[in-house]
Amino acid sequence: KAGVTQTPRYLIKTRGQQVTLSCSPISGHRSVSWYQQTPGQGLQFLFEYFSETQRNKGNFPGRFSGRQFSNSRSEMNVSTLELGDSALYLCASSLGVWGQGASSVGQYFGPGTRLTVT
Amino acid sequence: QKEVEQNSGPLSVPEGAIASLNCTYSDRGSQSFFWYRQYSGKSPELIMFIYSNGDKEDGRFTAQLNKASQYVSLLIRDSQPSDSATYLCAVSSSLGGSQGNLIFGKGTKLSVKP
Repeated sequence: KAGVTQTPRYLIKTRGQQVTLSCSPISGHRSVSWYQQTPGQGLQFLFEYFSETQRNKGNFPGRFSGRQFSNSRSEMNVSTLELGDSALYLCASSLGVWGQGASSVGQYFGPGTRLTVT
Repeated sequence: QKEVEQNSGPLSVPEGAIASLNCTYSDRGSQSFFWYRQYSGKSPELIMFIYSNGDKEDGRFTAQLNKASQYVSLLIRDSQPSDSATYLCAVSSSLGGSQGNLIFGKGTKLSVKP
């Protein structure tokens, strides 16, 4: 089974621009979560989508948004980029439902998109 | 503000020893607890999860949970140099379907010396 894929792997953008990152979950997974990882703050939860609906949201400004498509693929968008948005953005997928044994537990991460804002 | 605290390390142990990694969390409503391993330059990889108080063993790994003390730990027996990585503790307030909003600690860097 193919793992979580993220595109692009690397991005360099300028302050004020916007960026869209893409994530394809493991086949059959309906939940996609996004995290930001920086050396100072560690891994921070951005939002989770399940069946095209945002199910949970972290404490990030409205410049960060996302969506999920009917095939469970997800995109996140960051508008008006700031220098502090430079980070590794990780997508994680899971079944998103309970009661299907150990395979329903936990999230599986993609390789991430390294965003550099200059 | 829900928080998960870990000692940043580095924790250095000799090959073959037991490595003990600890984690405390602030939200008493937390239900699900996870340990992820992250090698340098790679993404986190799930290695253990635990829901109930007590111990859970999987191969060389044992997760321990004490909800009264809001404490989770991971023991790695017979540590190998390949275990050298950053170990992330993650907590979710959900026991059911939605475990997609994990709160992570900043990780403990483990170094296993040959």
